[in-house]
Amino acid sequence: SQQGEEDPQALSIQEGENATMNCSYKTSINNLQWYRQNSGRGLVHLILIRSNEREKHSGRLRVTLDTSKKSSSLLITASRAADTASYFCARRVTGGGNKLTFGTGTQLKVEL
Amino acid sequence: DVKVTQSSRYLVKRTGEKVFLECVQDMDHENMFWYRQDPGLGLRLIYFSYDVKMKEKGDIPEGYSVSREKKERFSLILESASTNQTSMYLCASSLRTEISYEQYFGPGTRLTVT
Repeated sequence: SQQGEEDPQALSIQEGENATMNCSYKTSINNLQWYRQNSGRGLVHLILIRSNEREKHSGRLRVTLDTSKKSSSLLITASRAADTASYFCARRVTGGGNKLTFGTGTQLKVEL
Repeated sequence: DVKVTQSSRYLVKRTGEKVFLECVQDMDHENMFWYRQDPGLGLRLIYFSYDVKMKEKGDIPEGYSVSREKKERFSLILESASTNQTSMYLCASSLRTEISYEQYFGPGTRLTVT
């Protein structure tokens, strides 16, 4: 499967703590994107990192990409209860056109 | 803001019925996608379209067809619904470029086939 894996499948933390989610994949990519999904809703794009980039920041989000290990991580700093959601990584596979391949997601719960 | 709308949030159909799921986007995007989302399986691509009247199969096209007669509208058709097609269906759109931009998603349609 080209889907790859997200790790952990579920994560529960206290408000104010940092949350780290990991994504591994198997094929070469042009870029990798992270999306968020609130319960029962559509996905919302968070951040995109290109294959020639190693790290990217957006507000409280930090994404890293290691193409040699075929892995990426999403760090949410100073988490809030409103960050409770599922997080998905999606890869634009080399030669795959504009299609994205999504992982199975990490369910994050941030408790007060 | 890009807006992607789907015709229904919840839908209940009977086995054997023909089901139409409609998706409309208002940002003149060339690409449109249909996914299904099941617990533990993530999002799986059913079909996508990169232009009017153009379509390509995704990873799981069996039992589905699509129609794109206008740029803003992409329909998913279940010719004869079956219980294993009970799922959350998500539509998305994006620009068609050499450098992939993000996809914009609709709110989803939760379909139950009884």
